[in-house]
Amino acid sequence: SQKIEQNSEALNIQEGKTATLTCNYTNYSPAYLQWYRQDPGRGPVFLLLIRENEKEKRKERLKVTFDTTLKQSLFHITASQPADSATYLCALANTNAGKSTFGDGTTLTVKP
Amino acid sequence: DAGVTQSPTHLIKTRGQQVTLRCSPKSGHDTVSWYQQALGQGPQFIFQYYEEEERQRGNFPDRFSGHQFPNYSSELNVNALLLGDSALYLCASMSQGSYNSPLHFGNGTRLTVT
Repeated sequence: SQKIEQNSEALNIQEGKTATLTCNYTNYSPAYLQWYRQDPGRGPVFLLLIRENEKEKRKERLKVTFDTTLKQSLFHITASQPADSATYLCALANTNAGKSTFGDGTTLTVKP
Repeated sequence: DAGVTQSPTHLIKTRGQQVTLRCSPKSGHDTVSWYQQALGQGPQFIFQYYEEEERQRGNFPDRFSGHQFPNYSSELNVNALLLGDSALYLCASMSQGSYNSPLHFGNGTRLTVT
């Protein structure tokens, strides 16, 4: 069955450093991969989407890579800030984003 | 521009009861998906509605059913509630013409079954 693993449940880093989150998947050939941010008691908020034929995508301090051979995506937040503290979810989909498969998330804490 | 709205925000029910959750999609969106998120886990796909019909379904029993109205709003119904149904229920909307666009989520309904 399809399985998504995000590197760890929790990641603690110092303000100003780069946070790197990992998403690995098995038994899946997604057309694209998405990253969402979720704050406690709130719904996920879309951050970045990368397609299977793309290697890298950037948006401001965010960067995502997608390696379909390794079946892995890396999500980077550069110059991290305490406001970046949240749970980050990786999601895979084929042609229908409405039916996405989510990982269990990584909770990032950025300490001042 | 209103985003996805869900009601109620919190709900407490007893085992065996039935519950109805409601969702209004983001303006301009015509497709609604429902997800269940247990504590500490990622959202799990329940089903998707478009043109008032269920189009896709995840691995959930028939106790979970839904409806979509002509104005694109949607309801999720759960019958014969179990303790394990306690979770955050999320509604997400998108436009059918943009299948690989990201999902827009509401803030969910927190259901507690006692």
